[in-house]
Amino acid sequence: KNQVEQSPQSLIILEGKNCTLQCNYTVSPFSNLRWYKQDTGRGPVSLTIMTFSENTKSNGRYTATLDADTKQSSLHITASQLSDSASYICVVSDRGSTLGRLYFGRGTQLTVWP
Amino acid sequence: EADIYQTPRYLVIGTGKKITLECSQTMGHDKMYWYQQDPGMELHLIHYSYGVNSTEKGDLSSESTVSRIRTEHFPLTLESARPSHTSQYLCASSSTGTTEETQYFGPGTRLLVL
Repeated sequence: KNQVEQSPQSLIILEGKNCTLQCNYTVSPFSNLRWYKQDTGRGPVSLTIMTFSENTKSNGRYTATLDADTKQSSLHITASQLSDSASYICVVSDRGSTLGRLYFGRGTQLTVWP
Repeated sequence: EADIYQTPRYLVIGTGKKITLECSQTMGHDKMYWYQQDPGMELHLIHYSYGVNSTEKGDLSSESTVSRIRTEHFPLTLESARPSHTSQYLCASSSTGTTEETQYFGPGTRLLVL
């Protein structure tokens, strides 16, 4: 069964600190992996997308890594801000074509305290 | 921010009522989706559309129905709401013809059926 597992389920950090969120997947075949940020009461917003050949992608203070051999990805947040408080969702696609489907993780709920 | 809109944002309704959740996008995307999301859980695809007059059921069985008469509009209807329909409903759209095909999400509708 294709699955996307995220850890930790929730995380609390102090403003200015760094943190790393984990995503393990068993989806096969693999097309790409996305990290989304979902603020409370809002829809998810794409942060990064990586294909099989990419092992790192940055978007400002967000840096995603991908190890396609071990089927693991991480999202590193540098110098956290209060506005980083949100759910971070890992999404894996099994194909890049029109017929590809998405597999969603349950997300990591990040809370940044002042 | 993506140009995809959902109304209403919040809806409290009694059992047995008929409801329609509206979703519209101004990006000219041909593909549109409806997801259901419970707190702390992953998104589940309930309906999608490849274009006008195309509708397909998603992975999660749903008693709702959808229509796609216009490219920009993808409403979801529940003929008789029940408490089990209480959830958050997210609409999304994407454009085919790109290798990444990122989905852009609306802000969601939070539905409470009493």
